[in-house]
Amino acid sequence: NAGVTQTPKFQVLKTGQSMTLQCAQDMNHNSMYWYRQDPGMGLRLIYYSASEGTTDKGEVPNGYNVSRLNKREFSLRLESAAPSQTSVYFCASRGLASYEQYFGPGTRLTVT
Amino acid sequence: GIQVEQSPPDLILQEGANSTLRCNFSDSVNNLQWFHQNPWGQLINLFYIPSGTKQNGRLSATTVATERYSLLYISSSQTTDSGVYFCAVGQDNTDKLIFGTGTRLQVFP
Repeated sequence: NAGVTQTPKFQVLKTGQSMTLQCAQDMNHNSMYWYRQDPGMGLRLIYYSASEGTTDKGEVPNGYNVSRLNKREFSLRLESAAPSQTSVYFCASRGLASYEQYFGPGTRLTVT
Repeated sequence: GIQVEQSPPDLILQEGANSTLRCNFSDSVNNLQWFHQNPWGQLINLFYIPSGTKQNGRLSATTVATERYSLLYISSSQTTDSGVYFCAVGQDNTDKLIFGTGTRLQVFP
C-alpha cells in the first residue's frame, strides 16, 4: 500500500498561472481532504469530500476548486495563482470505521 | 469558531527525558487527534482521543473533555521524537478539523 500520494512534490508558478494538485489514496477511504500549511502555523482545511460525488468548503476555500474524480482521487485546482497561495499543501483521507486522518507527503508550492 | 491553543510552543530536551504537551480548546468537541510532523514534513497520526486515555509505546494521551484539554506524554524521549506535535479538534460530527499551532520539540543526544 502506498497510502496517500501527491503530485507534484514541488512547483513554482508565476502569478496568474493555473495548476492542479493531484491526490490519490489506495486505502478504500471514503473521505478526502485538502489542507494548506503556512510557516509556523497549523494546517487549515481548504475543501473536503465526505464521499465520492460530494465536496464541501473548509476554513479557507477562496481561490481554489476541487474535484472528487472517483473514490481514489481528489484534485485541487488553482485557477489564477496568487503569492498568498504560496504554501505547503497536504492531502489526507480517512475511512468509515475511524475518524483518524492519514496524510500524504505534501506539495510545496511557490507563487512568484 | 473554536480556538485551539497548544503549549509550550517550543521544547528542548535531552535524550531520555520525559515531557508533557498540552492542548486547550474553547468549546466542546467530539473529535480530537494528535499528530507528529517529522523534520521532513511528513504528518503521522498518533492518537484519535476525544476522551479518555490511550497508550502506544512511549507515547500516551489523555483528554478531559469536560475541562476542555488534552495532554500528550512522551517518555524516555529519543532524537527521532523531534518535530512538531499538533493537536486538532472537530465538532458536531463533521469532518472539519481545526489545528493548533503546534509544539516544536527538539531532542538532543
